[in-house]
Parts: sequence; structure tokens; C-alpha cells
Amino acid sequence: KAGVTQTPRYLIKTRGQQVTLSCSPISGHRSVSWYQQTPGQGLQFLFEYFSETQRNKGNFPGRFSGRQFSNSRSEMNVSTLELGDSALYLCASSLSAKTDTQYFGPGTRLTVL
Amino acid sequence: AQKITQTQPGMFVQEKEAVTLDCTYDTSDPSYGLFWYKQPSSGEMIFLIYQGSYDQQNATEGRYSLNFQKARKSANLVISASQLGDSAMYFCAMREGGGRGSTLGRLYFGRGTQLTVWP
Repeated sequence: KAGVTQTPRYLIKTRGQQVTLSCSPISGHRSVSWYQQTPGQGLQFLFEYFSETQRNKGNFPGRFSGRQFSNSRSEMNVSTLELGDSALYLCASSLSAKTDTQYFGPGTRLTVL
Repeated sequence: AQKITQTQPGMFVQEKEAVTLDCTYDTSDPSYGLFWYKQPSSGEMIFLIYQGSYDQQNATEGRYSLNFQKARKSANLVISASQLGDSAMYFCAMREGGGRGSTLGRLYFGRGTQLTVWP
């Protein structure tokens, strides 16, 4: 069974631009969570989606948004990029109700210049 | 207060030796899950082991075992017979609420422990 895939793997943007990151969960997984990882703040939860609904949101500004499609694939969008948004963005998927384990993708490394 | 505390920024162990990575947690929720992940330099988070708050026995997965001491709120990871490929960052994480079957997807992570295995 294929794991969680994230595209693109690397991205370079400039301040003020916007970016969209994509995540395809493990087949059959309906929950997708997003995390931001930086050296200074560590791993921080962004949001979680289940059946196209955002169920949980971390403490990030409104510039960070996401959505989930009917096939469980998810996208996150960051508008008006700032230098501090440079990070590794990790997506994780899990089954809906019978497991607690989240399986992560390889991440998208975003660099904002 | 920090939900997850990992007090060892770095640990060194010789190949074939056992090593313990420390993790303490803070929650008032009676139902929670504890996880350990490994993150090699490539960046991908690899799931290692899970312990539920109501599990009576310590979890084990191959060379990994979790030393769960509920009263002390600690969930230390023990790696037996270390291998060179075990060199990586290790993260302890917690999910609150509901245990197995919980619909909440938020994991709280510690700052990690960088493990180096030397020959």
C-alpha cells in the first residue's frame, strides 16, 4: 500500500506570494493533518480535516488555510508569504475512528526569500 | 506548560547497545495516546510505537519498547541492540481525548532527541 505523498517536495517563493501544498493520504484514510516544523518552534499543528470538514485548527494566522476533497486528498494554502513561513510542512493521515496512529508523508520544504 | 518534554537534546550510543530516550507528558485528560516517531535527515516522520493510556502492558514493536509509567507521566522509548541506521531525531508525541477511536487529530510533539549511534 502506498504511503502518504506530498507535492511538491521543495518550493522556493518570495515574500508576498502565495503557495499551495498538496497531500494524498494512504488509501482508505479519511483524516489528514498538517504540521509545520521549524528549528525555532519545533513541530506545530496547523489543522486537521476529516470527510472534507476541518475538525481542529492550531494557532496560526488566517493566511494559513486548507481544504480536503471528497477523495480525502488535502491541500493547504499560505497567502502573503513571510520569511518566517520557511519550514518543512508535514502532512499525516489516519483512519477515521479505529486508530490513533498518524502516518506522515515526506514533507514539503518551503523556502521564502 | 509544555505538553511533551524531552530533556535530552542529544544522545550517543554504541552499536549493539541499548539506549533509553526520555519523555514526560502533561495532561489532565484521562484518555490519551502516546507515540514515538523517528525522523531521519531526509525529513520524513516514521511511526515507531504507540501506547494508550488505558493499556495495561508496555508496548513493544521489534527492537522498540515503551516504558510507560503512568503515575510519573513518563513514556520513555527503549531501543535495544542499536544499529547505525537508528541515528536520527526521535520525537515523542501525545494525542488527548478518546484514546482509540478518538476523532481528534492533533498531536503535541516534544522538541526531540538527536540520537547518534557510533560503531
